[in-house]
Amino acid sequence: DGGITQSPKYLFRKEGQNVTLSCEQNLNHDAMYWYRQDPGQGLRLIYYSQIVNDFQKGDIAEGYSVSREKKESFPLTVTSAQKNPTAFYLCASSPGQKRETQYFGPGTRLLVL
Amino acid sequence: SQKIEQNSEALNIQEGKTATLTCNYTNYSPAYLQWYRQDPGRGPVFLLLIRENEKEKRKERLKVTFDTTLKQSLFHITASQPADSATYLCALGSQGNLIFGKGTKLSVKP
Repeated sequence: DGGITQSPKYLFRKEGQNVTLSCEQNLNHDAMYWYRQDPGQGLRLIYYSQIVNDFQKGDIAEGYSVSREKKESFPLTVTSAQKNPTAFYLCASSPGQKRETQYFGPGTRLLVL
Repeated sequence: SQKIEQNSEALNIQEGKTATLTCNYTNYSPAYLQWYRQDPGRGPVFLLLIRENEKEKRKERLKVTFDTTLKQSLFHITASQPADSATYLCALGSQGNLIFGKGTKLSVKP
């Protein structure tokens, strides 16, 4: 099956801890994105990458970091600098650089202990 | 600043009726507009894309209109079914940017 996978489904973070969310796609898409979704809020863009080894900050990049070493993988690290990390994190990909139709993964819910 | 609004947080309708969801925007000139469906605890799923030079687009029981003068899109689900119950997101795109609305939660009662 082609698609986007995210792991884990739930993730718990302790104070001062960095955690990494996984995102893998086998759709051969060039572009990948990370969004954050809070209750009653629209999706907000954290980071995006249009090609391997290149990525750009989105609207709320502070406290997050990413890497894009392989076309199919785009992990997101939530650092200790992110003071309010509790949210639903969504990874997406799209086949072209124009960022039109996006295909989303199932999401990871991050909770703070 | 750019602003996108979906008319209501929640919409309740009876099975068989047509559901109409509204997406309004200001301070933006999108090249295209999309609608996504999101079920609880899951990622959004793409439904339809309509471009700025298109007035209407249909897919099965779904219809989307796009009025760039009114800065508004209407999303219709005809002959609605309980299985259509979900949150529907509007998204505007232009020059590589995509902005999402907060969504409208649709509940279709049998």
